[in-house]
Amino acid sequence: QQQVKQSPQSLIVQKGGISIINCAYENTAFDYFPWYQQFPGKGPALLIAIRPDVSEKKEGRFTISFNKSAKQFSLHIMDSQPGDSATYFCAARTGGYQKVTFGTGTKLQVIP
Amino acid sequence: GAVVSQHPSRVICKSGTSVKIECRSLDFQATTMFWYRQFPKKSLMLMATSNEGSKATYEQGVEKDKFLINHASLTLSTLTVTSAHPEDSSFYICSAPDRHEEQFFGPGTRLTVL
Repeated sequence: QQQVKQSPQSLIVQKGGISIINCAYENTAFDYFPWYQQFPGKGPALLIAIRPDVSEKKEGRFTISFNKSAKQFSLHIMDSQPGDSATYFCAARTGGYQKVTFGTGTKLQVIP
Repeated sequence: GAVVSQHPSRVICKSGTSVKIECRSLDFQATTMFWYRQFPKKSLMLMATSNEGSKATYEQGVEKDKFLINHASLTLSTLTVTSAHPEDSSFYICSAPDRHEEQFFGPGTRLTVL
């Protein structure tokens, strides 16, 4: 059972544009929603995370929007740069030392 | 942030042999570590939860006798792929939560079984 659904599967954005990746979850016990960035041949790295009591969190060019009632959250990358080209995973977790459930991933390509 | 290392970064072995992969938390202690497997262009799938001082907890469908996990200390967990076969070829990634409950991932180990 896919507990975290992610779309789109791939995304091509012009340099300077906005990249938007969407995720939806089913398990209402999830209480922490991180986003990870992964480059080829590397492990995932935490990008930004949010808890469900907050509707939006911004760190630099990265913003998470969270809609608890719809059980949806999204990542916005402003002023996208070629260096942002990577695979992005949304994820969810039920507690501090619990396993992370990953979305299916979005391969982002930012073209000059 | 905290650092998690893995060794080796890549390994090639013959079918039927066993391979050990190490996961270390370099600057923090971790009573729990997680092992994931990732196929090309796919997401990370949790294989098992490694617990220091007790048996690992395996996800449904993961063969515990094939993927042996030992959490030897508060900074080291090992995954041994026993009697490896070509279908075990994959990218194996570990993670560990620090004292702030934030999970940090290792750089991954690329296993190729010939």
